Amino acid sequence: DTEVTQTPKHLVMGMTNKKSLKCEQHMGHRAMYWYKQKAKKPPELMFVYSYEKLSINESVPSRFSPECPNSSLLNLHLHALQPEDSALYLCASSDPRGLAKNIQYFGAGTRLSVL
Amino acid sequence: QKEVEQDPGPLSVPEGAIVSLNCTYSNSAFQYFMWYRQYSRKGPELLMYTYSSGNKEDGRFTAQVDKSSKYISLFIRDSQPSDSATYLCAMSDNNDMRFGAGTRLTVKP
Repeated sequence: DTEVTQTPKHLVMGMTNKKSLKCEQHMGHRAMYWYKQKAKKPPELMFVYSYEKLSINESVPSRFSPECPNSSLLNLHLHALQPEDSALYLCASSDPRGLAKNIQYFGAGTRLSVL
Repeated sequence: QKEVEQDPGPLSVPEGAIVSLNCTYSNSAFQYFMWYRQYSRKGPELLMYTYSSGNKEDGRFTAQVDKSSKYISLFIRDSQPSDSATYLCAMSDNNDMRFGAGTRLTVKP
């Protein structure tokens, strides 16, 4: 099973709203990622958690706040977003051990629209 | 020069054709090479990955890595309309993964 589950699939929010995206995996992976993808572009890395600790923050604005409550869950808290933040938000996970440590498995994404 | 170069296409082929998708890269530290397939408005799906140089085959798909030329390829035999998607190459050293721009492929019945 190489499944990464993201909820919700779609989200529409106003610029003053607070919402959260959720990601879950049960593959025993200890590295989890958030990406942002705009139309016809490759995914852009936002955050990396390794063993539940934030290891990479790619200079993402503070209106995006990641959280890793345990090894299976990853959240992305959203607050005061801008219309240009509308995008497909992807979660991925990988096993940081062994030869497959850099192979990332992606969820289906949350399509976010900010009005 | 981008770290990973991939022709964005679009590429249109008739059903049954052999498709060749390619990426070049500049970072000789890359050791892991992946191909992802992404259908419209969906997340990337891992198709194949290889470690270091060589070939790997899985059904109609063959991935090739030539580290001496810094060139990777994905071949799709007997292409089907269901193969219509964007194909992203990705590569990684021990730390970072880099994506190509993605090639949009359409297989026409």
